[in-house]
Amino acid sequence: DADVTQTPRNRITKTGKRIMLECSQTKGHDRMYWYRQDPGLGLRLIYYSFDVKDINKGEISDGYSVSRQAQAKFSLSLESAIPNQTALYFCATEPSGRGTGELFFGEGSRLTVL
Amino acid sequence: GQNIDQPTEMTATEGAIVQINCTYQTSGFNGLFWYQQHAGEAPTFLSYNVLDGLEEKGRFSSFLSRSKGYSYLLLKELQMKDSASYLCAVFIPNGNKLVFGAGTILRVKS
Repeated sequence: DADVTQTPRNRITKTGKRIMLECSQTKGHDRMYWYRQDPGLGLRLIYYSFDVKDINKGEISDGYSVSRQAQAKFSLSLESAIPNQTALYFCATEPSGRGTGELFFGEGSRLTVL
Repeated sequence: GQNIDQPTEMTATEGAIVQINCTYQTSGFNGLFWYQQHAGEAPTFLSYNVLDGLEEKGRFSSFLSRSKGYSYLLLKELQMKDSASYLCAVFIPNGNKLVFGAGTILRVKS
């Protein structure tokens, strides 16, 4: 089983719908991240969390929200999806106390907004 | 803002050596990372440089010059399985976060 699990892996939805992407991890890491990946733009940071209830905005947080109710879970929500949120979304974890940037990624969630 | 530049695509021959360059201009620096990402898969950690110089790890080596804002990833004895995207990333101490470049797609041909 994967240490960092994302659900759903693929989702097609319509403009205006609310979508939640879930991430759970068994690595025991405190730090969790949500990135989106677009062709030619690389990975861009949406939100990150260093502990339960700790939430920090990344480069492109507009249109997104997150929830960190437990150490092992970090959820990303799109309150009202729009077509330019079509992308590949990655959750990642990192052990605290190191801050070395070695991230462990989930397998990705491909979201298509029509 | 943060600016991390790397070539979009490169092609090399099986068995050869290839160097993938990365230049950066960031508000702070606390390490440079290289990740490998095969098509349709998650990125995986390759290497980490925080001091100037060369770090070698098997067929892969990574070099850093902080004064020049420059790094490269060197892949030796290329194999077909090395065909992937290679992501350069800088760890920014303000916010303790990793900022990625757009990635270099490497195609290895026989």
